[in-house]
Amino acid sequence: GNSVTQMEGPVTLSEEAFLTINCTYTATGYPSLFWYVQYPGEGLQLLLKATKADDKGSNKGFEATYRKETTSFHLEKGSVQVSDSAVYFCALTPPGGGADGLTFGKGTHLIIQP
Amino acid sequence: GAGVSQTPSNKVTEKGKYVELRCDPISGHTALYWYRQSLGQGPEFLIYFQGTGAADDSGLPNDRFFAVRPEGSVSTLKIQRTERGDSAVYLCASSLNGGAGSTDTQYFGPGTRLTVL
Repeated sequence: GNSVTQMEGPVTLSEEAFLTINCTYTATGYPSLFWYVQYPGEGLQLLLKATKADDKGSNKGFEATYRKETTSFHLEKGSVQVSDSAVYFCALTPPGGGADGLTFGKGTHLIIQP
Repeated sequence: GAGVSQTPSNKVTEKGKYVELRCDPISGHTALYWYRQSLGQGPEFLIYFQGTGAADDSGLPNDRFFAVRPEGSVSTLKIQRTERGDSAVYLCASSLNGGAGSTDTQYFGPGTRLTVL
């Protein structure tokens, strides 16, 4: 079946540090890939997505590139802020014909210290 | 406009009782999803509606779980004979179209935290 594996947290960084949160997936065919974020006290919201190989999703200074050769979709940001503290979830939907819901990783809790 | 809303925000019940959780999707969204999120885990897919019909219920854990969407808008997730293991946050999401292979953004509600004593 489909699955998503992301790095365990919590990840603690200082403000302005470089961020990488690793995400790899297992799926049949070429899924669409997503990063969702959950800020403290708020619901899940889409951060960025990529729907085909080599696509790069970007938003709010975050980027992730769909790498089919390594089945990865790592999240990066060049300079994190305290306001980026949240839980980040990597997720996928399979290509047409598969189940219709998102398959999520377990989430990575990111803590940014001033 | 209004986002996805869910009621109640918290529900505490006793083992063996019946509960209903409600989801109001974004107006005009034809696709509606239910997920369950246990502590320290990512959300797990339960069921997907396209309009009034359950297009995919492969994630429902057993026959104690059932969901309806009679008019293609509001949905209710129903859990019979609740067990302590059902304790989790139940999330609802909606998207404009949905469907197999859809990349439409799913917009999530704040969730209902269910506690079964």
